[in-house]
Amino acid sequence: GENVEQHPSTLSVQEGDSAVIKCTYSDSASNYFPWYKQELGKRPQLIIDIRSNVGEKKDQRIAVTLNKTAKHFSLHITETQPEDSAVYFCAAPSGGYQKVTFGIGTKLQVIP
Amino acid sequence: GAVVSQHPSRVICKSGTSVKIECRSLDFQATTMFWYRQFPKQSLMLMATSNEGSKATYEQGVEKDKFLINHASLTLSTLTVTSAHPEDSSFYICSALRTGLSTDTQYFGPGTRLTVL
Repeated sequence: GENVEQHPSTLSVQEGDSAVIKCTYSDSASNYFPWYKQELGKRPQLIIDIRSNVGEKKDQRIAVTLNKTAKHFSLHITETQPEDSAVYFCAAPSGGYQKVTFGIGTKLQVIP
Repeated sequence: GAVVSQHPSRVICKSGTSVKIECRSLDFQATTMFWYRQFPKQSLMLMATSNEGSKATYEQGVEKDKFLINHASLTLSTLTVTSAHPEDSSFYICSALRTGLSTDTQYFGPGTRLTVL
């Protein structure tokens, strides 16, 4: 099955700075990598995803990069705002049909 | 966007009773739904894959007879925690898979906080 490692587990940044969260995966056949944001007590929300046929995808202040050779992908948040504070999870396909394995999560705190 | 509801949002029950949690996809059909369990400050752990019209597929270590899953229609999957015990207390989240031409995406329900006394 897929093994997804995510780091850091916690991250504090000043408002306006950038935040980067990294994940590695083990299955070279994996081809879809979503990122979810989960606020306390709420559901995970898909914020961006990337497929293996591209190396980078951007949506306003959020971007994701993928290095298939190294089997890692990263979430980049620029110009962070307090409302970006949440737990972020990366995920990768986990062998079974349409299943994904989640990383352990990164708790991001944006300090005003 | 895709909307997934989950009911109830919170439930408190006595040890030994059974609790049913419903997961509905409101604006799309989902042949596949997933049930997760999340402990405080931890990641989502997949419990089982719910398939419309067939038996659920359980992850290793998840008791089938303990966590009964029924996916009777394309918009509804239910998880029943049977003979609940305090160690079953957790946050249970479902997701529904929306399939598209080029992408399949999981959309999550709001979760159910189960407390077993």
